[in-house]
Amino acid sequence: QSALTQPASVSGSPGQSITISCTGTSSDVGNYNYVSWYQQHPGKAPKLIIYDVSNRPSGVSDRFSGSKSGNTASLTLSGLQAEDEADYYCNSFTSSSTYVFGTGTKVSVL
Amino acid sequence: QVQLQESGPGLVEPSGTLSLTCAVSGGSISRSVWWSWVRQPPGKGLEWIGEIYHSGSSNYNPSLKSRVTMSIDKSKNQFSLNLSSVTAADTAVYYCARKASATQFDYWGRGTLVAVSS
Repeated sequence: QSALTQPASVSGSPGQSITISCTGTSSDVGNYNYVSWYQQHPGKAPKLIIYDVSNRPSGVSDRFSGSKSGNTASLTLSGLQAEDEADYYCNSFTSSSTYVFGTGTKVSVL
Repeated sequence: QVQLQESGPGLVEPSGTLSLTCAVSGGSISRSVWWSWVRQPPGKGLEWIGEIYHSGSSNYNPSLKSRVTMSIDKSKNQFSLNLSSVTAADTAVYYCARKASATQFDYWGRGTLVAVSS
């Protein structure tokens, strides 16, 4: 299984909105609403921020939102803050009953 | 609050077997959730290794399936990973995680770095 495709880096100024794409295939992202997103700060474990495409766990800021269209899922960060600077990974269930992560996106706050 | 803690050797020789254990506290390992392993080579992205249920059922990444074995010890509330025939490419931070539903890897250990070197 190949990793889902994400842009290597995305940047924005404080207060702006940015969107990270996550492109898979009809065997994963396109066929299931089982997409999640994780935030990872340097030296730390990943943290779940979105599950089931667009749901936020309790305690996660509503500045994070998710969506999906066809084989591509997206994560939008609104009102960008310095603390949002981190790596972000998408994840999807696959038709083989396995999971695949995205290639990862480094978010920089200018 | 569920907590996970990885443990095991930080150095494994090439062609040897990498063995890690994840101790679960704050909840029973026999709950209706799956227990997973994820790894991250230095400076690279996350890779799902596989998962195991308290019944012993498991699913593995096809690219690692021939070398991976997972097990669960309900009496000790922990689960384990064995990865055989390791090479330098298996050097990574290994995380254990709980999968609460089809998409929720909601609790993670802090990770443990395993280097493969002679």
